[in-house]
Amino acid sequence: DTGVSQDPRHKITKRGQNVTFRCDPISEHNRLYWYRQTLGQGPEFLTYFQNEAQLEKSRLLSDRFSAERPKGSFSTLEIQRTEQGDSAMYLCASSSKTGTAFEAFFGQGTRLTVV
Amino acid sequence: AQSVTQPDIHITVSEGASLELRCNYSYGATPYLFWYVQSPGQGLQLLLKYFSGDTLVQGIKGFEAEFKRSQSSFNLRKPSVHWSDAAEYFCAVGGGGADGLTFGKGTHLIIQP
Repeated sequence: DTGVSQDPRHKITKRGQNVTFRCDPISEHNRLYWYRQTLGQGPEFLTYFQNEAQLEKSRLLSDRFSAERPKGSFSTLEIQRTEQGDSAMYLCASSSKTGTAFEAFFGQGTRLTVV
Repeated sequence: AQSVTQPDIHITVSEGASLELRCNYSYGATPYLFWYVQSPGQGLQLLLKYFSGDTLVQGIKGFEAEFKRSQSSFNLRKPSVHWSDAAEYFCAVGGGGADGLTFGKGTHLIIQP
């Protein structure tokens, strides 16, 4: 296992279409996070899972955004009815507890362009 | 609410010169602090972290950072930069639990030959 894997790396979609991104975390990590990064900004936290339980989702940007982690392994992030403002890099991270805190490792991201 | 401020949007440094990137945070409890680096079109790589103990922490690629509670700062330093250090640098704070990190807006580092 070489790290967090995200697929696809790039996605171009037409406005109004639905898109789904996949994240495969580091195998022994039980926590998984999704972030959004827009141009010139730092990553913005969206949601996270501990195993299959989604423990925080209030930060998802709208009800068009949803995430799943059905078996506590890989996760998907879906955006329904995409809008041009959804164009961004979507980053996934995973972590396990290191000492007293959680150290997150990031994937290379999925860059979404909505045209 | 927690926040991170990186006052410098861009910094230009000559190759071989020393570097300091500033980070100030606001957090209501014991902060867990991180520096990440991001190359164009890539994800984030962890440079170093501070959880507790010695306030001067060493990271990868010759970077170090110093936690100063009285100044709410966690500045990143490197004694001699290399052209390959050109990238975007992000400071982040978290609570050590399972919540996501709060990132600053980043500092873009340019290396002059």
